[in-house]
Amino acid sequence: GQNIDQPTEMTATEGAIVQINCTYQTSGFNGLFWYQQHAGEAPTFLSYNVLDGLEEKGRFSSFLSRSKGYSYLLLKELQMKDSASYLCAVRDSNYQLIWGAGTKLIIKP
Amino acid sequence: IAGITQAPTSQILAAGRRMTLRCTQDMRHNAMYWYRQDLGLGLRLIHYSNTAGTTGKGEVPDGYSVSRANTDDFPLTLASAVPSQTSVYFCASSETSGSADTQYFGPGTRLTVL
Repeated sequence: GQNIDQPTEMTATEGAIVQINCTYQTSGFNGLFWYQQHAGEAPTFLSYNVLDGLEEKGRFSSFLSRSKGYSYLLLKELQMKDSASYLCAVRDSNYQLIWGAGTKLIIKP
Repeated sequence: IAGITQAPTSQILAAGRRMTLRCTQDMRHNAMYWYRQDLGLGLRLIHYSNTAGTTGKGEVPDGYSVSRANTDDFPLTLASAVPSQTSVYFCASSETSGSADTQYFGPGTRLTVL
């Protein structure tokens, strides 16, 4: 079966750095996405990785290791508005997105 | 209209009733998707359409049907609603169904079936 694993919940302090991990087992791999979802709102795109390595985009970076079936999302200089759920999704061999259940990130002052 | 719109925003429905959730996009995207999101579970694909005139089944298609008569609209119909279909439904679209294509989501419909 196909599986995406993420921690259910994480807590971090405003101004700090947090790393949200995602491991996956899917039938094929055609890219990995990270989305942000605020409570009661739609998911919004954050990043896309298809090759191994780090993609940096402002305060957010995403890393991929295809051989390990592993990715992480790194958030720097945390702000209160970063309190949200972060969804990891993998595009499989059928080009469908398989989604993790999401990691709820709580930012404390 | 800018992006994707969904209607209604929320709905309470009696079991056994028929319901159509509407989705319209103005980005001229070829591919469209319907997901449901339940607490503790990831988004699950119900149906998809890679281009106007074609549809396909996702992970959880039973009890749902879709049509794609044109590029902009992708309605989802529950023929006879059941309580297990209580969920938040998101419509999404992408330029194509290619590997790098980002999916953009509508605001969602919160559906309660009693």
